[in-house]
Amino acid sequence: GAGVSQSPRYKVAKRGQDVALRCDPISGHVSLFWYQQALGQGPEFLTYFQNEAQLDKSGLPSDRFFAERPEGSVSTLKIQRTQQEDSAVYLCASSLEGVGNEQFFGPGTRLTVL
Amino acid sequence: DQQVKQNSPSLSVQEGRISILNCDYTNSMFDYFLWYKKYPAEGPTFLISISSIKDKNEDGRFTVFLNKSAKHLSLHIVPSQPGDSAVYFCAATSGTYKYIFGTGTRLKVLA
Repeated sequence: GAGVSQSPRYKVAKRGQDVALRCDPISGHVSLFWYQQALGQGPEFLTYFQNEAQLDKSGLPSDRFFAERPEGSVSTLKIQRTQQEDSAVYLCASSLEGVGNEQFFGPGTRLTVL
Repeated sequence: DQQVKQNSPSLSVQEGRISILNCDYTNSMFDYFLWYKKYPAEGPTFLISISSIKDKNEDGRFTVFLNKSAKHLSLHIVPSQPGDSAVYFCAATSGTYKYIFGTGTRLKVLA
């Protein structure tokens, strides 16, 4: 299909391990977003890219979280030295432009940190 | 501080009847509101939206009502169908790309 895809769908990490989560946005979408959804909560904004530029990273919870989108297409969210509180579903979304356009979400990656 | 609140974690409705999902917000700067539907193991899917210059928007069986003075919006589904069973998220934004989501309401439509 032509939707947003994410991989892996599930990831189990031991505390202290580094993880990398991948997002393939819809082709041609300029804007890309990462959200974190904890159990029983709604998605919470992490960061926003317009093409390859990371314009907003105000939602990243700590400096252990890092996101990149080097060629303005695929994006990777990296979490270093994972902690148990990082356990959540990480959602990626893309849109044609950042403002005034619907965000299309991927299925998410469920991260469990043991 | 929860800027967007969905106070009902769950709702059960008989097939064919009306489902009403509620959402309250605190930030008067919000000017665009959205409803997303989420099935298990899938990402949220856009359902319907409304601008703050309107008080109603309708799309087929789905209607969203906005009461700015009460900082309240609601989603009406008529008639409800079993396939509507999902978690519904309300989201708001203040003219930016940043969506603020509520905690969701799980709707169960009983056949």
